[in-house]
Amino acid sequence: QLQLHESGPGLVKPSETLSLTCTVSGGSISSTSYYWGWVRQPPGKGLEWIASIYYSGATYYSPSLKSRVTISSDTSKNQVSLNLSSVAAADTAVYYCARVMLAGGSNWFDPWGQGTLVTVFS
Amino acid sequence: SYELTQPPSVSVSPGQTASITCSGDKLGDKYACWYQQKPGQSPVVVIYEDNKRPSGIPERFSGSNSGNTATLTISGTQAMDEADYYCQTWDSSAFYVFGPGTKVTVL
Repeated sequence: QLQLHESGPGLVKPSETLSLTCTVSGGSISSTSYYWGWVRQPPGKGLEWIASIYYSGATYYSPSLKSRVTISSDTSKNQVSLNLSSVAAADTAVYYCARVMLAGGSNWFDPWGQGTLVTVFS
Repeated sequence: SYELTQPPSVSVSPGQTASITCSGDKLGDKYACWYQQKPGQSPVVVIYEDNKRPSGIPERFSGSNSGNTATLTISGTQAMDEADYYCQTWDSSAFYVFGPGTKVTVL
């Protein structure tokens, strides 16, 4: 059974870079059938997609966050990472890692990790 | 950019049918999926590719998508279905787009 586990610091100071890692078990991130993505959810608010990556290294970024985000993968460790620079209070959120299912023109996230809360706090 | 809209809340009596709409420009030309999120939990997909149910999702969950609106229908709603529901689609310019979410309350 595929499992995703997010890890990283729970507190980040304003203007610093947020770095998170998603460790995947029970499956390989090198599979040609999936992308891997990050989604965040500010407290009490809705879901916002951040970025996605394919095994080949192809990446997609949210237009609103593109200038501050980098997604990468390490196939040897079966991990996907996210860096978000110049963070501010508005970046406080639960950050989820998820597998992106691909089928023709359809894309959906399944499964999701348990999420990790990151608070931007000085 | 591409945007999806959902009603903030829907109320339903136990055993009745709940319908949650998701609207976007020519959404019917794209695929829609739906996620259920209960408090303190991660989202779970309940419908993908407009109307397909993943393994383990009860048959009372169904979906449709036509014109500008996708609809998630919960038939015979149970107390355990009380949750936030998010629609999501993929757009060639905005990529992965989520709706703002609908809180379903089972009264």
